[in-house]
Amino acid sequence: DAGVTQSPTHLIKTRGQHVTLRCSPISGHKSVSWYQQVLGQGPQFIFQYYEKEERGRGNFPDRFSARQFPNYSSELNVNALLLGDSALYLCASSLKYQGIEETQYFGPGTRLLVL
Amino acid sequence: LAKTTQPISMDSYEGQEVNITCSHNNIATNDYITWYQQFPSQGPRFIIQGYKTKVTNEVASLFIPADRKSSTLSLPRVSLSDTAVYYCLVGGYGQNFVFGPGTRLSVLP
Repeated sequence: DAGVTQSPTHLIKTRGQHVTLRCSPISGHKSVSWYQQVLGQGPQFIFQYYEKEERGRGNFPDRFSARQFPNYSSELNVNALLLGDSALYLCASSLKYQGIEETQYFGPGTRLLVL
Repeated sequence: LAKTTQPISMDSYEGQEVNITCSHNNIATNDYITWYQQFPSQGPRFIIQGYKTKVTNEVASLFIPADRKSSTLSLPRVSLSDTAVYYCLVGGYGQNFVFGPGTRLSVLP
């Protein structure tokens, strides 16, 4: 079975630009979460979506937004990129968002470099 | 909001059992505890998850005391390929998921 897939794998942007990252969950999973992992640190929670609704949000500025589509795939958008946004962006999917069915499985990530 | 701490690094030899502890003093009632393994430039790989007491699967065991303020990942008979960073994750019900800082495990021959 295919795991969580993310695209693109790498990309380079300049400060002030906008970026869109994409994620396809494991088949049958209805919840998608996004994380930012700066080099040398643990991942930080950005958003969780379930059934196209935002169910959780971490401590990130409004420049970060996301949405989930009817097929449960998701996009993470970041506006007005800053140098500090350079990181590995991880997507995780889970069956649901409650209890044991909330076990999150991660994709390979998108490496974003902001110059 | 749970705050998690882990040892920064650990060394072990092949064939030994390794125990990595994560502290999460203000864990919430609905929070689950999940452990992941991560290799450089890859996404975290699920190892094991639990809520309380002991959980065991084919690769690891997870011990959670009654107060749930800590958890210990136990890896039996580690090999060189287990060299990686290990993270605990605390959270649930769409609330803020918090990763620990990660423990860099080095397995020596």
